[in-house]
Amino acid sequence: SQTIHQWPATLVQPVGSPLSLECTVEGTSNPNLYWYRQAAGRGLQLLFYSIGIDQISSEVPQNLSASRPQDRQFILSSKKLLLSDSGFYLCAWSVRGLTSYEQYFGPGTRLTVT
Amino acid sequence: KQEVTQIPAALSVPEGENLVLNCSFTDSAIYNLQWFRQDPGKGLTSLLLIQSSQREQTSGRLNASLDKSSGRSTLYIAASQPGDSATYLCALDSWGKLQFGAGTQVVVTP
Repeated sequence: SQTIHQWPATLVQPVGSPLSLECTVEGTSNPNLYWYRQAAGRGLQLLFYSIGIDQISSEVPQNLSASRPQDRQFILSSKKLLLSDSGFYLCAWSVRGLTSYEQYFGPGTRLTVT
Repeated sequence: KQEVTQIPAALSVPEGENLVLNCSFTDSAIYNLQWFRQDPGKGLTSLLLIQSSQREQTSGRLNASLDKSSGRSTLYIAASQPGDSATYLCALDSWGKLQFGAGTQVVVTP
């Protein structure tokens, strides 16, 4: 069966510090991978999606970047965090079935920028 | 641009009542629609996926309908239980990219 891991589970970082969040998927090959952010009082927003190694699309201009060095690894980074980067970050994966792209989510990382 | 609205934003019902959660969207050119559940501080759990060619999906006490012509989906939860307390999110899929509603926070009281 497929599983998705995210770490760390929680993170408190000062403004201006770097960020690296990691997501890995097990039990599937060639997944589409996604990073979402859920800010306080706001809905889920798609940040990045990737259809393959080094193939990444950004959905929203921001202070963050994403990389996919391996097929089942997706990394979210920032060189200098802003207060507005605080939120709940969720990684998701999907594989195209016969007719659909059902998405499955990881447990999330709670980021607080102080 | 697709806009997804969920009404009501919050709902409180006594145990045993049926729950009706609504999701409306502005662009009917969707690939599928997913309903998710989110417990506080946790990730999302997929409940049901309705493909654009389907009108409904059922899983246990859950039933979701889709009416593309009117831009609506409804999630029904029969005979609610306290364990059903969570936030329910609908999401529209346009070729693998999900657009989420803000969610309906549900509390089922014993």
